[in-house]
Amino acid sequence: EAGVAQSPRYKIIEKRQSVAFWCNPISGHATLYWYQQILGQGPKLLIQFQNNGVVDDSQLPKDRFSAERLKGVDSTLKIQPAKLEDSAVYLCASSFYTGQGRNTQYFGPGTRLTVL
Amino acid sequence: GESVGLHLPTLSVQEGDNSIINCAYSNSASDYFIWYKQESGKGPQFIIDIRSNMDKRQGQRVTVLLNKTVKHLSLQIAATQPGDSAVYFCAETAMDSSYKLIFGSGTRLLVRP
Repeated sequence: EAGVAQSPRYKIIEKRQSVAFWCNPISGHATLYWYQQILGQGPKLLIQFQNNGVVDDSQLPKDRFSAERLKGVDSTLKIQPAKLEDSAVYLCASSFYTGQGRNTQYFGPGTRLTVL
Repeated sequence: GESVGLHLPTLSVQEGDNSIINCAYSNSASDYFIWYKQESGKGPQFIIDIRSNMDKRQGQRVTVLLNKTVKHLSLQIAATQPGDSAVYFCAETAMDSSYKLIFGSGTRLLVRP
């Protein structure tokens, strides 16, 4: 079974530029998550989708971050404009989770963003 | 490759010894817990999980212990191997938070040959 795919793996941009990340979840997984992982810390949830609807975006900095999952499969996360503090690894995860109990999430390899 | 955590607590063990990694969780309402392993340059990898109605669960070479009284979780790795070197995160989730995963700060495990 193929895992969660992400691209690009690495991205270097200057502050105030824009960047987009792409995620393809495990086939059949209804729920998709985007996390931000700053060096030395655990992942922090940015946004959770159930199919193509947003379940939780309470920690997404909406003035600069946006995400979509138009057809309930692939997703993109965009930052516009980027700040120095956005330098982190952006992880995508997916799960079968349907709203009750056990929620085992499977992670992609991440995109390492460096903002100069 | 990328270093996952430069300033994490570190546990150093001899190859072949057993490892115990500890985690304190914060929400007394948490009812499902997961341990993840993260190698340098990779995303977190699921190791083992446990529901709050259990206090022990075993997998292949790994055991998770849950003590709800003191809100403590541990991961035991038997016969630690060099491939076990990584950063280990515990994560908690609860129905009252819509089962959102909350990750701990992580522990780096170094296996000495």
